[in-house]
Parts: sequence; C-alpha cells; structure tokens
Amino acid sequence: EAQVTQNPRYLITVTGKKLTVTCSQNMNHEYMSWYRQDPGLGLRQIYYSMNVEVTDKGDVPEGYKVSRKEKRNFPLILESPSPNQTSLYFCASSLGTSGETQYFGPGTRLLVL
Amino acid sequence: GQNIDQPTEMTATEGAIVQINCTYQTSGFNGLFWYQQHAGEAPTFLSYNVLDGLEEKGRFSSFLSRSKGYSYLLLKELQMKDSASYLCAVPNQAGTALIFGKGTTLSVSS
Repeated sequence: EAQVTQNPRYLITVTGKKLTVTCSQNMNHEYMSWYRQDPGLGLRQIYYSMNVEVTDKGDVPEGYKVSRKEKRNFPLILESPSPNQTSLYFCASSLGTSGETQYFGPGTRLLVL
Repeated sequence: GQNIDQPTEMTATEGAIVQINCTYQTSGFNGLFWYQQHAGEAPTFLSYNVLDGLEEKGRFSSFLSRSKGYSYLLLKELQMKDSASYLCAVPNQAGTALIFGKGTTLSVSS
C-alpha cells in the first residue's frame, strides 16, 4: 500500500531534550516536506527536500533540522525543543513540486513541557 | 506574496448541498488544491484545478476562475462523514511548498 508513515504518533517531552520524528514513504517520491499545524494558523511548511541530500528552509524553520540521506526517509530533528514547538506535525511527499499532489503522513502530536 | 481566504465555519444538514468558497492572491498561478481533513487526521487530497471551469468527481465538484482568483468546492448529498475541515491550497511561486488557507470547518447535522 502506497503510504507515508511517521513515528512516533504521539510524544510528550520536556524542554531541551533532543528528539527525532521519523518520516518514510514507499512511493519513490523525490519531494518531501514537513509542516506544522496550529489552531488559527493552519498548515505551515518547516523544511522541504527536492531530492537526496537537497534540503531547504520553509516558512518556519527555526528550531528544526532535517536530513535526507535516502530517498524514502526524511526525519525531523528538534535539537532543543521548546514549548512553542508543541504542535501537530505532518510529513508529506510528492513526485515533484508545483502541480503534483502531496500525500500526507498520519501526523505526530508533540507536547513539549 | 500569497494569501488565501476561506470562511472559518459552515453548517449544513444531511442530504443538502454546500459550497465552500476560497479566494486567493498568488504570484505565478500553478493550480489550486482542495484537501479534506478530519479532526486530528492527515489532510487527504480531494481535487486539483489548473484550468477554469468545473471538475466533477462523484459527490464533490471543484470550480476555478483564474481571472477572479476564486475557487469553490461543492459537496452534494451531504453525509455525516463529510463533517471535516476543507483546506484550499496553492503552490508557492517557487513550487516548493503548498500555501494553505486556514480551512473551513464543516459541520453536518441530521
């Protein structure tokens, strides 16, 4: 089944404790992206990757890192999480950009205390 | 810059028809997407319009007018399971991201 998976789905952590949210897709998509979704603000892009070893900042990249060592995986790293990073996070992938449909993972709900 | 406006909330009854509007301002138009998102779940693709006109897909149809910067999603024969948030989105100018509206929460009652 074609899908985007994320782990963990739910995470409670404390300020400053490094964490990684994994994202994997099995559709051989070149493009992958991370979004966060907050009430009243909608979905906002954090980082994206056009292909292996090619990543760039989105609209809200502060406090986040990513890597793209393999085509299928695109982990999101929070080196020192803070409470303002409490959010619902979605990974997405697509064949390309612009007019290509993005497929979203199930989401990771993160609470930083 | 880019901006997308949608109504925040709408209500309707089962069996009815509802139209969710979206207006956008973008530099370099490259299509408009509609996604459905149930509470706490992932957005799922509904439609993509790049040319003017109406595209029908079962109970859902989507309309685009590029000259007016306007789109709507039409949902017919509403069912309770259609209660969800509907997101309008356009690619940014570089094509590297989707810019989403804040979504329209539709509540369908019996």
